[in-house]
This record gives sequence, C-alpha cells and structure tokens, in this order.
Amino acid sequence: AQKITQTQPGMFVQEKEAVTLDCTYDTSDPSYGLFWYKQPSSGEMIFLIYQGSYDQQNATEGRYSLNFQKARKSANLVISASQLGDSAMYFCAIFSGYSTLTFGKGTMLLVSP
Amino acid sequence: NAGVTQTPKFRILKIGQSMTLQCAQDMNHNYMYWYRQDPGMGLKLIYYSVGAGITDKGEVPNGYNVSRSTTEDFPLRLELAAPSQTSVYFCASSWTGTGYSNEQFFGPGTRLTVL
Repeated sequence: AQKITQTQPGMFVQEKEAVTLDCTYDTSDPSYGLFWYKQPSSGEMIFLIYQGSYDQQNATEGRYSLNFQKARKSANLVISASQLGDSAMYFCAIFSGYSTLTFGKGTMLLVSP
Repeated sequence: NAGVTQTPKFRILKIGQSMTLQCAQDMNHNYMYWYRQDPGMGLKLIYYSVGAGITDKGEVPNGYNVSRSTTEDFPLRLELAAPSQTSVYFCASSWTGTGYSNEQFFGPGTRLTVL
C-alpha cells in the first residue's frame, strides 16, 4: 500500500515570500511518481508539478519547484514569490504500481498582502 | 477540446434514491477514475478503469457501481443513496503507460447532498 502524509494543516505566508509545503510518502514500489495539485476555493483540481522516482533532477515549473529527497521519502513543494492567487488547498499525491493516485489530506495555504 | 466533463454540477438526493453521475473525456485517455472528496479531506478513489470494458475497485467502492462501454465515458452509479455519500465527486482521466508522467486531468466535480 502507498501512503502520503502532509503534516501541515495550514500555512501562512506573506506575499512575495517563498513557502515550503511538506510531503512525505511511503511505497514499496521502486517506480513511482509524485504529484502536487492545487485546489482553489472554486473546487477544481489543478495540476502543478510532477516528479518521477528515477528523475535525476528536481522538477521545476515556473514558480513551483519540488524538493525531492528520495532517501528521506520526501517531496516538498516550494512556491517562490507567493501571490495572493496562491491561496488554496494543496495536495500531494503518489502514483505507483496499480496506476492509481493516493492523495494526502492537504495543506491550506493562505497568502496575506 | 473540452477535457473532462461532469454532469450534473449539483444534486440533492433523498435517502434511498438512485442516480448516475456522468463523466466524459475527449483526450482519448485509456485510464479513467472516480474520486470522492469529503469536507476538509483529500480525495479517495472509488473505482477506476484501465480501458473500455475493464473496471476495478478503489479504496471506497461500497455503494457505487461503474461501467465503461466506451473509451470516452465512465458513469458512476449510486444505488440507494445514504447520507454518508454526501460528498464532492471528481472524475479524472490519464494516459497511463511507460514513458508518460501519468498526470491525471480532473473534471470540475459534482457536489452531491443526500438528505
């Protein structure tokens, strides 16, 4: 079985500052993928970034980067230069083996002016 | 290219009623999924399908049924609705296979209330 743990129920950050959202995972599959999704108050799920277990470099997508530490089984999302529009729920998820995603409980990020 | 579409967006059911949540995708994805999201929680997998005619249970399948007769459509059937099925339901699809990121594309969700 695979598992995602997000230990931060909520995070606060000021506009233009960087913030790190934590994610640890557990899987017995040697090949897996890690995803981060954003869910704004409107409810839709927005894909942010992906990291494959065999990728040599940490994934980056614009202001999003993934701090992937395989030995520690962590895949933290770093958002640089936070914007008010970044206020949302953020979900970490793992994909492995049986072609299904397992989600964490999420972290609510609030960006203040 | 509409992506993943879901209907209806909102629905209120009485206990014991049945309904079908519709999901369609136009990206020719092989995999399709149904999730439910309870308030303040992450998504939990109900059922998924790896192709037309093939479905399998996820983490929380009880009280639901699915079918996949075409690549495009993956309806979710609720029989004998119960208050515990009050949730937001998301359909998703992906092109899953070696060499792909397996990113799942989500529909906008269906908010279901059972009273």
